[in-house]
Amino acid sequence: LAKTTQPISMDSYEGQEVNITCSHNNIATNDYITWYQQFPSQGPRFIIQGYKTKVTNEVASLFIPADRKSSTLSLPRVSLSDTAVYYCLVGAWGGATNKLIFGTGTLLAVQP
Amino acid sequence: DAGVTQSPTHLIKTRGQQVTLRCSPKSGHDTVSWYQQALGQGPQFIFQYYEEEERQRGNFPDRFSGHQFPNYSSELNVNALLLGDSALYLCASSDPKGDSSLEQYFGPGTRLTVT
Repeated sequence: LAKTTQPISMDSYEGQEVNITCSHNNIATNDYITWYQQFPSQGPRFIIQGYKTKVTNEVASLFIPADRKSSTLSLPRVSLSDTAVYYCLVGAWGGATNKLIFGTGTLLAVQP
Repeated sequence: DAGVTQSPTHLIKTRGQQVTLRCSPKSGHDTVSWYQQALGQGPQFIFQYYEEEERQRGNFPDRFSGHQFPNYSSELNVNALLLGDSALYLCASSDPKGDSSLEQYFGPGTRLTVT
């Protein structure tokens, strides 16, 4: 069973900031928090990864509170091409393989 | 810089048959993982290969086996196919030298249909 909880779907409009939250109450000390994007009939694409606090790259930011039991992926100024499924993956190689499951993800629909 | 490649793109097999799927990792990556993604679901981890050995395995039966070659490419074999094996099979490569993070690069997948 997946160990993370995400909203099933979200709607947004072009140009808005979108925040997707993932709950992971059973996160282990060595676990990383990793987010992926997937378009239909394609493999997932790595977006961002963090361990604690805030991480930012050219496409997204990842906010992780001190207790690490949740995380928020922030997508600034989304466009139509950001319509996709977003997965939160929490774990680490060498850890419990039951965490290496993407769950059902969050379907983000961006409208004009 | 070549990304992860997989072959074939699509495959149709009959129940009871065997299938082999192939993957070439991203340049510079030495670790290959395989995932199964059923329609409408997220990917599920099958196993990971590193230095030509299975290093970690998910909750899949022994009908699923793999191999990694000296050039880091990999094969996924599934024996005695069941209808429930119909899915998108994804290969992901990574270079976690001294790092257990889950940053991976996925290929486009092989769509397997079992009839």
